[in-house]
Amino acid sequence: DVKVTQSSRYLVKRTGEKVFLECVQDMDHENMFWYRQDPGLGLRLIYFSYDVKMKEKGDIPEGYSVSREKKERFSLILESASTNQTSMYLCASRGTGGVGELFFGEGSRLTVL
Amino acid sequence: AQKVTQAQTEISVVEKEDVTLDCVYETRDTTYYLFWYKQPPSGELVFLIRRNSFDEQNEISGRYSWNFQKSTSSFNFTITASQVVDSAVYFCALSPGYSSASKIIFGSGTRLSIRP
Repeated sequence: DVKVTQSSRYLVKRTGEKVFLECVQDMDHENMFWYRQDPGLGLRLIYFSYDVKMKEKGDIPEGYSVSREKKERFSLILESASTNQTSMYLCASRGTGGVGELFFGEGSRLTVL
Repeated sequence: AQKVTQAQTEISVVEKEDVTLDCVYETRDTTYYLFWYKQPPSGELVFLIRRNSFDEQNEISGRYSWNFQKSTSSFNFTITASQVVDSAVYFCALSPGYSSASKIIFGSGTRLSIRP
């Protein structure tokens, strides 16, 4: 079974802190994605990566950065957390065998105080 | 523009009723893929179906069925004889183009509640 693991289910941080959200997948997928989910807004794409060290901005990249040093790991970084970044963050991966479905992690709920 | 619209924010029905969740999409690509995902209360998104733009055949899987109509840019999802376990948030999604590296655009979701 494909497994996408997000390092923390729940985090509480203070405004201005640097936050790292880690995601690891075990299926050798080339493509990895970070979404945030907010009520009434669905899932919005922050960044995605189609290969090691490659990244593309999604629809809402402001205030975020990403790192993909190894194929299996994709990190989302909030350089200086703000209260409007309180949200559920979802990591997903997809292989290159055609346009397949995304496999999602369980999500990381971040609260910024 | 690439966009997915799920106009129904919340639906509540009594168990055993049939229910249809609407999905309308926009894309200029001639090749694209459509998806439905289920997010139960536990939170993890579960893949339900994928359909490419060249295959307009309707699909049935048990109590679930999907109606894809390119003429109206819709990809609707029907649950027949709903059950309490069907209670979840359902997302429709669009992947434009034919590359696995392309992004997937999600609708805002429909929260479905099935009352016993």
